[in-house]
Amino acid sequence: DAGVIQSPRHEVTEMGQEVTLRCKPISGHNSLFWYRQTMMRGLELLIYFNNNVPIDDSGMPEDRFSAKMPNASFSTLKIQPSEPRDSAVYFCASTLAGGPEEQYFGPGTRLTVT
Amino acid sequence: SQKIEQNSEALNIQEGKTATLTCNYTNYSPAYLQWYRQDPGRGPVFLLLIRENEKEKRKERLKVTFDTTLKQSLFHITASQPADSATYLCAGNTGGFKTIFGAGTRLFVKA
Repeated sequence: DAGVIQSPRHEVTEMGQEVTLRCKPISGHNSLFWYRQTMMRGLELLIYFNNNVPIDDSGMPEDRFSAKMPNASFSTLKIQPSEPRDSAVYFCASTLAGGPEEQYFGPGTRLTVT
Repeated sequence: SQKIEQNSEALNIQEGKTATLTCNYTNYSPAYLQWYRQDPGRGPVFLLLIRENEKEKRKERLKVTFDTTLKQSLFHITASQPADSATYLCAGNTGGFKTIFGAGTRLFVKA
């Protein structure tokens, strides 16, 4: 298995531009998480999907952030418009059932907004 | 607010010694604690999970404890090696989908 796949690995964009991050979870996993990691705040949960349905998006910082999961093998996290304070590493993770078991993380997307 | 706290200072130890990392939780009663390893430029990798009714869990050179009285977990790496150098994240879960992560402790093992 290739593990969780994320693209792009690095993204540099200017303030005000739209940014789309992509994730392919491990096949057979029915739960998907988007996290953001910064030095100041560590790893924060943004949104959680179970069976492609958003269950909890209370961690999404603002309306500028949106996430979708159109099918079991693909999810996107979109920021529109982007701001410099959105600069961080964004991780996608998946699990079999969405409980307390181990999460499998992707390699992350390092986003820099100038 | 619910918090998982780890020592922000890096831990430097000599190869062959035992590394001990501390995780404390406040305003929180996790039923599970997890430990992850994170290398620079990579995502966290799961190492161990311990339940609140388990005092200790071992996996090869790793040992984790869960003390609900002290609200603390200790993570030990015995016979440490330079390859163990990484950031180690502690994470708590009450039994649902939400896992709260600590900021991590960097470990440097010197040859």
